[in-house]
Amino acid sequence: RKEVEQDPGPFNVPEGATVAFNCTYSNSASQSFFWYRQDCRKEPKLLMSVYSSGNEDGRFTAQLNRASQYISLLIRDSKLSDSATYLCVVNPSPGYALNFGKGTSLLVTP
Amino acid sequence: ETGVTQTPRHLVMGMTNKKSLKCEQHLGHNAMYWYKQSAKKPLELMFVYSLEERVENNSVPSRFSPECPNSSHLFLHLHTLQPEDSALYLCASSQVWGSAPGVTGNTIYFGEGSWLTVV
Repeated sequence: RKEVEQDPGPFNVPEGATVAFNCTYSNSASQSFFWYRQDCRKEPKLLMSVYSSGNEDGRFTAQLNRASQYISLLIRDSKLSDSATYLCVVNPSPGYALNFGKGTSLLVTP
Repeated sequence: ETGVTQTPRHLVMGMTNKKSLKCEQHLGHNAMYWYKQSAKKPLELMFVYSLEERVENNSVPSRFSPECPNSSHLFLHLHTLQPEDSALYLCASSQVWGSAPGVTGNTIYFGEGSWLTVV
């Protein structure tokens, strides 16, 4: 079983749509969780950390379900500029490197 | 301006060449990383340095040789590479290595990457 699994997509959605991505992780002792965004031929950039209580940043909402070992990212009112690959990232435990998912590709169309 | 800078941004090298990738971070972080990103694969961690000491080496072939002269600089020396080594090489840094107590999140920040093509 892979450490971090994501649906690779692509997700094709029209502008203004709401889209949700899920990510599952295998290590129940994992410490911290993130969503990164990677544009084509660019480096990954932190989108948001994911906290146990869930957190929101504008149109983006991240949630963590420790019991089921999954993380979600909800994007409301999609913009063309949201088109990118979204990487789920998990820090398994102190002294271990981050585990990256392969990413979910999102294409927002006019 | 990014806090992590990498040079060169693009590199084409022959299989018998020797070249180096350079990374510099301006964030005052203590940990630095080299990642490899190939098409349709997740990011692969290659090396981790914490306070200038190597703490992780993920079974990387010896044709890749890292060097960390100080906490702000990281090099990846390349020699006798293979075409399958062509990829995007990303440098990154974080405040500390791993998830230390009292450090919430400990996110990592990436450089823009060095696109390597081995011919």
